[in-house]
Amino acid sequence: EAQVTQNPRYLITVTGKKLTVTCSQNMNHEYMSWYRQDPGLGLRQIYYSMNVEVTDKGDVPEGYKVSRKEKRNFPLILESPSPNQTSLYFCASSLRQGAELSYGYTFGSGTRLTVV
Amino acid sequence: QQPVQSPQAVILREGEDAVINCSSSKALYSVHWYRQKHGEAPVFLMILLKGGEQKGHEKISASFNEKKQQSSLYLTASQLSYSGTYFCGTGPSEGTYKYIFGTGTRLKVLA
Repeated sequence: EAQVTQNPRYLITVTGKKLTVTCSQNMNHEYMSWYRQDPGLGLRQIYYSMNVEVTDKGDVPEGYKVSRKEKRNFPLILESPSPNQTSLYFCASSLRQGAELSYGYTFGSGTRLTVV
Repeated sequence: QQPVQSPQAVILREGEDAVINCSSSKALYSVHWYRQKHGEAPVFLMILLKGGEQKGHEKISASFNEKKQQSSLYLTASQLSYSGTYFCGTGPSEGTYKYIFGTGTRLKVLA
């Protein structure tokens, strides 16, 4: 089944404790991205990757890191989480034709992160 | 800057029609539409790649006006299953490959 797999689904952590949220897709998509979703703010892009070893900042990258060492994997790293990073996180991937995501995004199931 | 969607929320009876608008202050090159049900991930509905192009998905269709930097989503003869939050997504943007989402429209269909 074609899918984007995120883990974990739920995570409660303490301020300052490094964590990684994993994301993997089995569709050979070039473009992968992380979004956070907060009430009233919609979906905001954190980072994206056009292909292996090519990553760039979205609109809210502060406090996050990513890497794209393999085409299928795009982990999100929070080096020192803070309470304002409490949010619902989505990983998404898409095929790309030039600059266009011509087939839209496939989203993972989401990770609900709470930082206390 | 996020595209602005209107209305923010709408309540319909089954069988009624609705229009959701997405307006951007920047040029739109392509527009995606997604529906997100409560507690779930957004699901892709359709993409519009050319100005004026209209696409359809069941009884849901959309239009794209490049000059006005707007897209509209049309829901015809709404069903209970149409309830959820609808997002437009646009990109690429600002000389980057960012893809940004609109502010969202909550739609509830009542029996």
